Amino acid sequence: DGGITQSPKYLFRKEGQNVTLSCEQNLNHDAMYWYRQDPGQGLRLIYYSQIVNDFQKGDIAEGYSVSREKKESFPLTVTSAQKNPTAFYLCASSGVGQGGNQPQHFGDGTRLSIL
Amino acid sequence: GQQLNQSPQSMFIQEGEDVSMNCTSSSIFNTWLWYKQDPGEGPVLLIALYKAGELTSNGRLTAQFGITRKDSFLNISASIPSDVGIYFCAGHPNAGNNRKLIWGLGTSLAVNP
Repeated sequence: DGGITQSPKYLFRKEGQNVTLSCEQNLNHDAMYWYRQDPGQGLRLIYYSQIVNDFQKGDIAEGYSVSREKKESFPLTVTSAQKNPTAFYLCASSGVGQGGNQPQHFGDGTRLSIL
Repeated sequence: GQQLNQSPQSMFIQEGEDVSMNCTSSSIFNTWLWYKQDPGEGPVLLIALYKAGELTSNGRLTAQFGITRKDSFLNISASIPSDVGIYFCAGHPNAGNNRKLIWGLGTSLAVNP
């Protein structure tokens, strides 16, 4: 089945530790995105990538890093510089159609908590 | 960052009732999207709208792209318990290569069986 796979589903981080969240898609989409969702709030964009080997900061990039070495993979690292990392992290991808923007499709998320 | 105004923030209705929610923006949008999110899962696309005035249905769901291009609404007819969740609107304020979506804060829907 085509889709977006995020792993792990649950992740725990110790103080001062970096952790990496995985996102893989087999939809052949060019663009991929990382969002953070806090309770009762909407989605806030962390980073996005429109093509392999290129990515841009979103609205809340501080304390996070990404890479886009392969079209199907867009891992997110939550660094120790992110002082409030506890949140639900969502990965999405989208293709490009004639009209330009196509809808984003989401994985099932990773819930990150601080030990 | 920019945000859409989505209302109502929450709704509590009886099974069988119709539901209406809307989203407004201060600027023109070229695409309106409606998503539903269940607890602990990612948002799922319900309806995508690409032209002003467009009215699109998906089963019991109907959404419209406002004529002014600054608003959109979603209606759910004859609600059922599985309609429970958070509904988000989102849109692209520019065409072309700008892939960033602008999001509303969501409408939380509860259905009393």
